[in-house]
Amino acid sequence: NAGVMQNPRHLVRRRGQEARLRCSPMKGHSHVYWYRQLPEEGLKFMVYLQKENIIDESGMPKERFSAEFPKEGPSILRIQQVVRGDSAAYFCASSRERSYGYTFGSGTRLTVV
Amino acid sequence: QQQVKQSPQSLIVQKGGISIINCAYENTAFDYFPWYQQFPGKGPALLIAIRPDVSEKKEGRFTISFNKSAKQFSLHIMDSQPGDSATYFCAAGYGGSQGNLIFGKGTKLSVKP
Repeated sequence: NAGVMQNPRHLVRRRGQEARLRCSPMKGHSHVYWYRQLPEEGLKFMVYLQKENIIDESGMPKERFSAEFPKEGPSILRIQQVVRGDSAAYFCASSRERSYGYTFGSGTRLTVV
Repeated sequence: QQQVKQSPQSLIVQKGGISIINCAYENTAFDYFPWYQQFPGKGPALLIAIRPDVSEKKEGRFTISFNKSAKQFSLHIMDSQPGDSATYFCAAGYGGSQGNLIFGKGTKLSVKP
C-alpha cells in the first residue's frame, strides 16, 4: 500500500515561470491537505480539498496560487509567476475522512532562481 | 491566538538521556495536540497525539504531558537513541476547523552516542 506520493521531489523554476506540484493520495483517501514549509520554520496550512471541491483555502495566498483535486487523477498545487519567496518545501497529506490523523508525503522542494 | 510556541530550537542529548521539548498555545478552543517527527528530506510522521481530557499519554519511549490550565504540553523521549535524531514539531488543532493544524517552528534534536 503506497503512501502519499508527491512529484516531482525537486523542482527548479526561474522567476516568472509556473510551478505545478502533484500529489497522489493514499488508496481510498479522498481528503487532501497542502502545507508549505519555509526554511527553519514549521509547516503552514494552505488548503484542504475533497474530490472536486475546495473545502478550506484560508491559508492560500490570494494571488498566483491555486489548487485542485479532480475526480480522476492527482491533486495539483499550481503557482503562477513564481518569485524567490515561493522557494520552500510543499507537503501534501491525505486522509480517508475529515480527520487530523493524516499521512504526509515526502514533499516537493521548490527552488526559484 | 493561533500561534503555537515551541522550545528549545535545538537540543543535544547524550544517548540514554531524556529529551524534553515544550510547546505553549493561546487558543483554548484547540482540542487536539499531536507531535510529528521529521527526518531530513522526508515528510513529517505522526509520533503521538493527545486530547485535552487527559494529562498524559505514553507510547513506548515517547510521552506527552499536557497541562490544560497552563496551556502547555511537552514531549518526553526516554532513553534517547541516535536514531531519534530528527526535527520534532508540536501542533494544535480545534474542532471548528476542517482538519488543518497549527504547527510550532520545530526542535532539532541530536542524540550523541
